[in-house]
Formats: sequence, structure tokens, C-alpha cells
Amino acid sequence: NAGVTQTPKFQVLKTGQSMTLQCAQDMNHEYMSWYRQDPGMGLRLIHYSVGAGITDQGEVPNGYNVSRSTTEDFPLRLLSAAPSQTSVYFCASRHDRGSTNEKLFFGSGTQLSVL
Amino acid sequence: SQQGEEDPQALSIQEGENATMNCSYKTSINNLQWYRQNSGRGLVHLILIRSNEREKHSGRLRVTLDTSKKSSSLLITASRAADTASYFCATGSNYQLIWGAGTKLIIKP
Repeated sequence: NAGVTQTPKFQVLKTGQSMTLQCAQDMNHEYMSWYRQDPGMGLRLIHYSVGAGITDQGEVPNGYNVSRSTTEDFPLRLLSAAPSQTSVYFCASRHDRGSTNEKLFFGSGTQLSVL
Repeated sequence: SQQGEEDPQALSIQEGENATMNCSYKTSINNLQWYRQNSGRGLVHLILIRSNEREKHSGRLRVTLDTSKKSSSLLITASRAADTASYFCATGSNYQLIWGAGTKLIIKP
């Protein structure tokens, strides 16, 4: 099992550019999520999905899009990058779609800089 | 919004000593989880304690939960250099976990 795989590890964008952060898991997890981590702050939830075709917004969804066409993949799209989106992004998954009484499995993160 | 708040923000101790970090939260919870993050890496789950539990152990880790005070503590006994990391608490209600800003732990050799 590879677990949760994120690509790329590093990315530099110019303001206004778009890009997609990839996330894939091979554990057949129903729940997948995207977080951003900024210095001095806890993780903040961007979007999450409880299964293929089902997504919902988290705490900070503006400027980001998601879709879930398969159980394995949950890409995060930045539509028009802004410097405020400079952050480290983590994808995380768990088996149970409906309960937080399970641990999350995290990818290794994508460090994004927007100039 | 930030539900869990860790205390202290940073902690530096000698190898072999015990490390204690605390987490406070504001609303009712189903569970509280602790995670570790090594520098530049993803988070790794350490332990989950449910709201009806008061104490839980896992190896050198001991977690307590006091729902009346809305607080939890993580104790790492006999610390090692490899314990150097940031530690985060996360409180769970429905679909979402709410995270604290973390405690940075440094173990000095």
C-alpha cells in the first residue's frame, strides 16, 4: 500500500495561473479531504468528499475547486492563483465517510508558492 | 475557526525527560485526536480518545481527556531525539476535525 500520494511536492505559480494538485489513495477510503497549513495556525479544511460524486465545502473553500469521479482520486484545482494561497497543502483520507471517530491518513504535502 | 489550542507553543527538553503538552477546546466533541508532524512531512496519527474515555495509553504516550474542563493532555515519557516534531490536537464532531496550532517539541541530546 502506498497510502495517500500527493503530487507535486513543490510548485511555484504566478498570480492568475491555474493548476491542479493531485491526490490519490489506495486504501479504498470513502472520505477524502484537502487542508491547508499556514505558519502558526492549525490545519484548515478546504473541501472534502464522502464518496465518488459527493463533495462539500470546508472552512476555507474560496478560490478552490474539487471533484471526485473515482474513489481513489481527489484533485484540488486552483482556478486563479493568488499570493494568499501560498501555503502547504495536505490531502487526507479515512475509511468511514460519516464519522470522525477514525484516524486520518495524510499525504506528504505540496508546498505551493504564488508570486 | 480554531477549536483546539495547544499549550505550550514550544517546548525544549533533555532526552530522557518527560514531555507534557496540553490542548483546550471550546465546544462539545465526539473525540479528540493527537497527531505528530515531523519537519516537512505529513501528519501521523498518534492516538484517539473518545468523549466517554478519560485516559488512554499507547507505548510511551499517555493521553487524558477532561470534558468538564474541555481539555486534554499528551504525555510522552522517556523522550528520544526522534520525538522532535510538532504535535497537534484535533477535535471531532461530525464530518470535520478542528485543529489547534500545535506544540513544537525539541528534544536536546
